[in-house]
Amino acid sequence: DTEVTQTPKHLVMGMTNKKSLKCEQHMGHRAMYWYKQKAKKPPELMFVYSYEKLSINESVPSRFSPECPNSSLLNLHLHALQPEDSALYLCASSQDLTSGRRSPTGELFFGEGSRLTVL
Amino acid sequence: KNEVEQSPQNLTAQEGEFITINCSYSVGISALHWLQQHPGGGIVSLFMLSSGKKKHGRLIATINIQEKHSSLHITASHPRDSAVYICAVSGGGADGLTFGKGTHLIIQP
Repeated sequence: DTEVTQTPKHLVMGMTNKKSLKCEQHMGHRAMYWYKQKAKKPPELMFVYSYEKLSINESVPSRFSPECPNSSLLNLHLHALQPEDSALYLCASSQDLTSGRRSPTGELFFGEGSRLTVL
Repeated sequence: KNEVEQSPQNLTAQEGEFITINCSYSVGISALHWLQQHPGGGIVSLFMLSSGKKKHGRLIATINIQEKHSSLHITASHPRDSAVYICAVSGGGADGLTFGKGTHLIIQP
């Protein structure tokens, strides 16, 4: 199984809603990532978890709250979002991080993404 | 900070043509990744390279560490190869991957 599964595929929410994006992998990978991608732009790193602990937070606003309940699951909790937060949110995993805890070891496996629209 | 430049930004070719996409970067890296993204979709990892050359089916990726340059080649291109191809590098002091802006490839039948 080399899949990273993301749910939901599409999400529409108002600015006062609370919702969550979910990501799951069963490859035994110990590093998991959230990326945000706007149309026609490359992905931007948001968070990295290593061994279920937050390793990197790229100065993301607190209205995005990540959670890693176990080594296979990664959530992104959304609250009080703004319309400019509408984007494709991509989850990824890799075997591990480098010794400096900054880069993936091995290939990065991406999910299909969750397309978020904030009204 | 590593700068990753891809060329061309857009490429339209006829089915069967040999395709080359180039990537250059400014700072030493631990690995270079070639990724594929279809419209509205997720990203698929095609190759991870730290030296030399790799081949998978009709795709070939090469890297020259000294020149800080990599190429992705597609032989006998097919319309299903139409996608955005992204070069990304890891290491060089940055967190995660540093991405190029992508090459939008269209293969016409």
